[in-house]
Amino acid sequence: GQQLNQSPQSMFIQEGEDVSMNCTSSSIFNTWLWYKQDPGEGPVLLIALYKAGELTSNGRLTAQFGITRKDSFLNISASIPSDVGIYFCAGHSGGSYIPTFGRGTSLIVHP
Amino acid sequence: DAGVTQSPTHLIKTRGQQVTLRCSPKSGHDTVSWYQQALGQGPQFIFQYYEEEERQRGNFPDRFSGHQFPNYSSELNVNALLLGDSALYLCASSSFNSPLHFGNGTRLTVT
Repeated sequence: GQQLNQSPQSMFIQEGEDVSMNCTSSSIFNTWLWYKQDPGEGPVLLIALYKAGELTSNGRLTAQFGITRKDSFLNISASIPSDVGIYFCAGHSGGSYIPTFGRGTSLIVHP
Repeated sequence: DAGVTQSPTHLIKTRGQQVTLRCSPKSGHDTVSWYQQALGQGPQFIFQYYEEEERQRGNFPDRFSGHQFPNYSSELNVNALLLGDSALYLCASSSFNSPLHFGNGTRLTVT
């Protein structure tokens, strides 16, 4: 089955720093999704990508759909304390309605 | 506009018992997916319901079953509970070609 490798597993940064995390797949995906999960809550969709090479921003967040269609990255600029949480990548290939999720990147921002 | 709502928020059961979790999708969504999220892991797909039928199923035993009602709401049933079934159970709704929108989950503890 599809496997997603998400890295890094955790990040400890200072407020104001930029953050970068990525996800690689063992198979080609047609859609990449990035979610954030706060403690005690469900994942919230941040960015959806539908085309190879696509670069999409949502405020301080930027995500890209890799040209090979097997990877994606998420950048957060000028981090703030409320960026703390777990970030998940997810993706699925054509014909499947079901996204596969990575294991998450835990982000901690020190004020 | 209410998002995805799940009930109950927390539940404690004993091994061997049965449990039913409930989900109401976001307005305008007709598809409901269920995920299991163990501590420190990404969500794992259980099954998806569309037009009151199970459309796709993940790698979960038959002890896990579900139902979708004409108003698109859904139930997840788990029989013969095991300690390993302790997890956060997430419901997500979607419509054609839209990403999943998650509820805040039901925290199930099996003792």
